[in-house]
Amino acid sequence: AQKITQTQPGMFVQEKEAVTLDCTYDTSDPSYGLFWYKQPSSGEMIFLIYQGSYDQQNATEGRYSLNFQKARKSANLVISASQLGDSAMYFCAMTPSGEYGNKLVFGAGTILRVKS
Amino acid sequence: ETGVTQTPRHLVMGMTNKKSLKCEQHLGHNAMYWYKQSAKKPLELMFVYNFKEQTENNSVPSRFSPECPNSSHLFLHLHTLQPEDSALYLCASSLLGRLRGDYGYTFGSGTRLTVV
Repeated sequence: AQKITQTQPGMFVQEKEAVTLDCTYDTSDPSYGLFWYKQPSSGEMIFLIYQGSYDQQNATEGRYSLNFQKARKSANLVISASQLGDSAMYFCAMTPSGEYGNKLVFGAGTILRVKS
Repeated sequence: ETGVTQTPRHLVMGMTNKKSLKCEQHLGHNAMYWYKQSAKKPLELMFVYNFKEQTENNSVPSRFSPECPNSSHLFLHLHTLQPEDSALYLCASSLLGRLRGDYGYTFGSGTRLTVV
């Protein structure tokens, strides 16, 4: 069975600074996909970034990058140049079978607060 | 709007009531999901539908009854719920075999359910 662990219940970051949100995972599947989602107080889950287990390069999407360390089974999210609007809950998730899976397993989440 | 619309956004119901949650997507996705998000717990996958057929039921109590009449609509029928069923219920859709990028999981804004 797949498992996602997010060890930081809450994080603070100063506006314009970078922050790293930790995520480790456990799976025996050779092919899997890793996601990060942002959930503001409105409740909507917003897709941020995706990393496939066979991707050679770390995924990047604008200010978001995923520090993928396969041997350590970690997939940390790095947000550069934090903005006040980045304050939200962040979830790491994974699906087996990479792009062909369709079940997302979520971590417990990390609340990020950006200070001005 | 994310492309996945959930109604109602908020629902308060008594334990003897019968109500339904509705989810609608016009993204051309062929898989739909119900997730439950309780306070201080990770998102829990409840049901998975692929091409209108239920492919997963994660030991969900029978007081929750899903219905998927077509690939664009998903319902969650509720009856004789308990106060511990109060949570945010999220619907999501995806295109099977294509979870990367634009075809990835798309979530609705959720229905915040309170059982009194």
